[in-house]
Amino acid sequence: DTEVTQTPKHLVMGMTNKKSLKCEQHMGHRAMYWYKQKAKKPPELMFVYSYEKLSINESVPSRFSPECPNSSLLNLHLHALQPEDSALYLCASSQAGTGSNYGYTFGSGTRLTVV
Amino acid sequence: SQELEQSPQSLIVQEGKNLTINCTSSKTLYGLYWYKQKYGEGLIFLMMLQKGGEEKSHEKITAKLDEKKQQSSLHITASQPSHAGIYLCGADYPRGSNYKLTFGKGTLLTVNP
Repeated sequence: DTEVTQTPKHLVMGMTNKKSLKCEQHMGHRAMYWYKQKAKKPPELMFVYSYEKLSINESVPSRFSPECPNSSLLNLHLHALQPEDSALYLCASSQAGTGSNYGYTFGSGTRLTVV
Repeated sequence: SQELEQSPQSLIVQEGKNLTINCTSSKTLYGLYWYKQKYGEGLIFLMMLQKGGEEKSHEKITAKLDEKKQQSSLHITASQPSHAGIYLCGADYPRGSNYKLTFGKGTLLTVNP
């Protein structure tokens, strides 16, 4: 299995809703990432988990709450989002912590719309 | 300031033509990645370069990293409509004891049949 699987593919939520994005990989990677991509912009890093511990938080608002229950699974809990949070949310994983030796595998993303 | 500059922003070529996309870093590169993205979809890994002077090829796509490890180019030979999409270069930059993968702004490639 050489894939990163993200669910759901599309999500529409109201500003008072609570929802979660899910990311799963079975490649044995020990680092997992959340990126946010607005239209016509490159992906921007939000969070990095290394060996199931949060190692980088790029000053992301607290309405985004990441969770890494085990080495294969990464969640992003969403609460009280704003319309400007609408974007493509990408998950990625890499083999050994963070670093460039082995590259990054990206999922196909969740298209989030906040209404 | 942008750590990773990518050019051109967009490119329109006729099918069969060759093209080059460039990526320049303001700092020494520890790892340089090329990805392709269709609009609204995930990133497809193309190539990774780490060593100065390194060159890799896959089908009609060749990527090079210069000796100083601050510039990379992606060259497509005899372009086809299937090559159309957004090409992103990404680089690892140290951030404390970790590395952060940062992307250039991307190049939108259109291939006209």
